[in-house]
Amino acid sequence: DTGVSQDPRHKITKRGQNVTFRCDPISEHNRLYWYRQTLGQGPEFLTYFQNEAQLEKSRLLSDRFSAERPKGSFSTLEIQRTEQGDSAMYLCASSLVLAGTSNTGELFFGEGSRLTVL
Amino acid sequence: DQQVKQNSPSLSVQEGRISILNCDYTNSMFDYFLWYKKYPAEGPTFLISISSIKDKNEDGRFTVFLNKSAKHLSLHIVPSQPGDSAVYFCAICSLNTGFQKLVFGTGTRLLVSP
Repeated sequence: DTGVSQDPRHKITKRGQNVTFRCDPISEHNRLYWYRQTLGQGPEFLTYFQNEAQLEKSRLLSDRFSAERPKGSFSTLEIQRTEQGDSAMYLCASSLVLAGTSNTGELFFGEGSRLTVL
Repeated sequence: DQQVKQNSPSLSVQEGRISILNCDYTNSMFDYFLWYKKYPAEGPTFLISISSIKDKNEDGRFTVFLNKSAKHLSLHIVPSQPGDSAVYFCAICSLNTGFQKLVFGTGTRLLVSP
């Protein structure tokens, strides 16, 4: 399977614990995005990487959240001291954006990592 | 402040008929518009897109219409099939930002009955 993969698919944790999600994008894609989706809402942008550089972070990404893409391939999203309000589906997406070419804007999403904080 | 609104949380259509899903946006600086489809337990899947220089884009059974003056876009599915039953999200972005920050609507759940 050459799509975007996320791990784990489900995580149940107690409030105050740390959790880490991993995303493996489509291999040739240079951009990687993290979104969060809560019940009844559409996905909300959290952050994105161009290769290994984190270029933008949403205000939704509090200082308890940290994302990395150390070698420009896979990415991790860590949430420290989880709160019940962090319960959501965390979606990773990737895309190939080349300067000077026509891009469709299509993001390829993974199946998501569902976090439940008790 | 919701920049993208999908005012119909759900839509039921009979197989073979047309499904029309609507989306309104507030900020005219956005100039690229996309529709995504999401099945349960799967991530969103890109369906079709349109840039602000066009008012219509067609791909098989799917057509997206853009009315810039009304800040409104719609997705038409003709004919609708039971396999089209899913949640549909519209998303908008600005070409200047290079697509990295899609703003999604809240989604419309489409149910196509046989």
